[in-house]
Amino acid sequence: NAGVTQTPKFQVLKTGQSMTLQCAQDMNHEYMSWYRQDPGMGLRLIHYSVGAGITDQGEVPNGYNVSRSTTEDFPLRLLSAAPSQTSVYFCASSYTGGADTQYFGPGTRLTVL
Amino acid sequence: AQSVTQLDSQVPVFEEAPVELRCNYSSSVSVYLFWYVQYPNQGLQLLLKYLSGSTLVKGINGFEAEFNKSQTSFHLRKPSVHISDTAEYFCAVTTDSWGKLQFGAGTQVVVTP
Repeated sequence: NAGVTQTPKFQVLKTGQSMTLQCAQDMNHEYMSWYRQDPGMGLRLIHYSVGAGITDQGEVPNGYNVSRSTTEDFPLRLLSAAPSQTSVYFCASSYTGGADTQYFGPGTRLTVL
Repeated sequence: AQSVTQLDSQVPVFEEAPVELRCNYSSSVSVYLFWYVQYPNQGLQLLLKYLSGSTLVKGINGFEAEFNKSQTSFHLRKPSVHISDTAEYFCAVTTDSWGKLQFGAGTQVVVTP
């Protein structure tokens, strides 16, 4: 099993550009989530999904969009990048929700200029 | 809503010395508690979790944590650390099995010879 994979590993954007961060898992997990990690703030939940076709907002959803058309994939879209979105983004998955062991991807380091 | 406070942002420790990382939570209902570890430039991985039952929980790599309901704490301990334990440690909480995970700000452990 590859586990949770994320692409790209690094990305630099200009303000106003859009992009999609990719996340895929091969463990047949129903629950997938996106976090951003900023120094001194831990991980904050952006969006999550409890199964294909079902998504919901987390703590910091503004400026981000998600969809879940398959069990395996959960892409995160930045609609119009802002410097405040400079962060490290992690995707995670689990069989059920937060009380189940979360498996994290290696992260995407995003810089918005 | 629940919240998590990690009382130390950084903990320096000498190799083979014990370490304790403090975590307090607030919640009006029963909680599930977790400790995750993040090694440099990697995603997070689960160290241990408390769901119910015995309040002393043993995890991987010789770590253990004790759930104290009256003090709303879930402190992490290791009796003798190694250089390889240098990492950031995150306490996290959720209140139901499908619930969203709330992370603390993290504690950076730096082990020196």
